[in-house]
Amino acid sequence: GQQLNQSPQSMFIQEGEDVSMNCTSSSIFNTWLWYKQDPGEGPVLLIALYKAGELTSNGRLTAQFGITRKDSFLNISASIPSDVGIYFCAGRSNAGGTSYGKLTFGQGTILTVHP
Amino acid sequence: NAGVTQTPKFQVLKTGQSMTLQCAQDMNHNSMYWYRQDPGMGLRLIYYSASEGTTDKGEVPNGYNVSRLNKREFSLRLESAAPSQTSVYFCASMLTGHTPGNTIYFGEGSWLTVV
Repeated sequence: GQQLNQSPQSMFIQEGEDVSMNCTSSSIFNTWLWYKQDPGEGPVLLIALYKAGELTSNGRLTAQFGITRKDSFLNISASIPSDVGIYFCAGRSNAGGTSYGKLTFGQGTILTVHP
Repeated sequence: NAGVTQTPKFQVLKTGQSMTLQCAQDMNHNSMYWYRQDPGMGLRLIYYSASEGTTDKGEVPNGYNVSRLNKREFSLRLESAAPSQTSVYFCASMLTGHTPGNTIYFGEGSWLTVV
């Protein structure tokens, strides 16, 4: 099956620092999604990417869909305490049939921001 | 705006007991999913339903059954709970079809402990 490797597994940073995390895949995806999960909550969509090479921003967040369609990164600039949480990448392959719509998730990056 | 609602939020079971996790969405989505989340493993797909009346196995279906009761509701059943099924369970839904821009929405999670 498809595999997603997300790194780093965890990050401990000071408030105000920039953060970068990435995901790589063993196969091609047509969509890359980045989610954030707060403690005790379900994942919430941050950014969606639909085209190879696409660079999309959402406030202090920027994500890119890799040219090879096998990787994506998420950057957070000027981190604040409320950025704390688990960040997940997810890829979707439009391979057709019953695979359409299924997401493959990375293992998650646990972000801790010290004030 | 209820979105995806799942119950119960917390449950403790004894090994061998059965239980059903309920999920409902009010967004008129055709696809629904059940994921489990374990530390360091990301979210893994248990079962999904691409449309009312259909269900398919995901990555980790063993020990589970599902029912797509109608378009709104998708339940997950553990017939004989095992400690390995201790996890956080997330229901999700998405409007799928030929539009790549559709994204998945998650419920708030159900914390299940099997002792």
